[in-house]
Amino acid sequence: DTAVSQTPKYLVTQMGNDKSIKCEQNLGHDTMYWYKQDSKKFLKIMFSYNNKELIINETVPNRFSPKSPDKAHLNLHINSLELGDSAVYFCASSQEGAYEQYFGPGTRLTVT
Amino acid sequence: QKEVEQNSGPLSVPEGAIASLNCTYSDRGSQSFFWYRQYSGKSPELIMFIYSNGDKEDGRFTAQLNKASQYVSLLIRDSQPSDSATYLCAVDGGGSYIPTFGRGTSLIVHP
Repeated sequence: DTAVSQTPKYLVTQMGNDKSIKCEQNLGHDTMYWYKQDSKKFLKIMFSYNNKELIINETVPNRFSPKSPDKAHLNLHINSLELGDSAVYFCASSQEGAYEQYFGPGTRLTVT
Repeated sequence: QKEVEQNSGPLSVPEGAIASLNCTYSDRGSQSFFWYRQYSGKSPELIMFIYSNGDKEDGRFTAQLNKASQYVSLLIRDSQPSDSATYLCAVDGGGSYIPTFGRGTSLIVHP
């Protein structure tokens, strides 16, 4: 009965590779998000997406792209990985227009 | 740029004491305020939200909001070691439903 799930939980890869992280929610929410949490625990929004609108944090490099096959899924694709991309990535969801967010377990990405 | 400020801590309190966590925000248009708890290695979990000035109580937790001072706090009564975690303050985007998070305050409750 997991509400928001992510795969994989851990991802270790080399610089320059392309990788994807998958996210699924079964809460019936309309809006999904991707956050990056760095080593100092700062949680920064990367993307917000519902079936009407994609909002991109302007500081996110265009190597990062969200892909949503349907409203229950929002995957994160990362091209040409860099050392600075190492972080924990959280997916979250909420009802459209609501501020309360429900987070997935996170994916720890390590770029070597 | 919207900012949410929290003291990073750690805030250390003895078991049974009241822990007081504070947060200030820059956007006067913000209407919704949230507290998330994050245990080490886990994801943030929503524990409280408040929309109106004053206090909101839920069990051992009380959220306090003062919009004039742009200040929101979280009080944890009868603190337990299991309350040891990082507490993240989040504020809505003043019309945008994307919240801005503070850096979090680490709370340590020692027996």
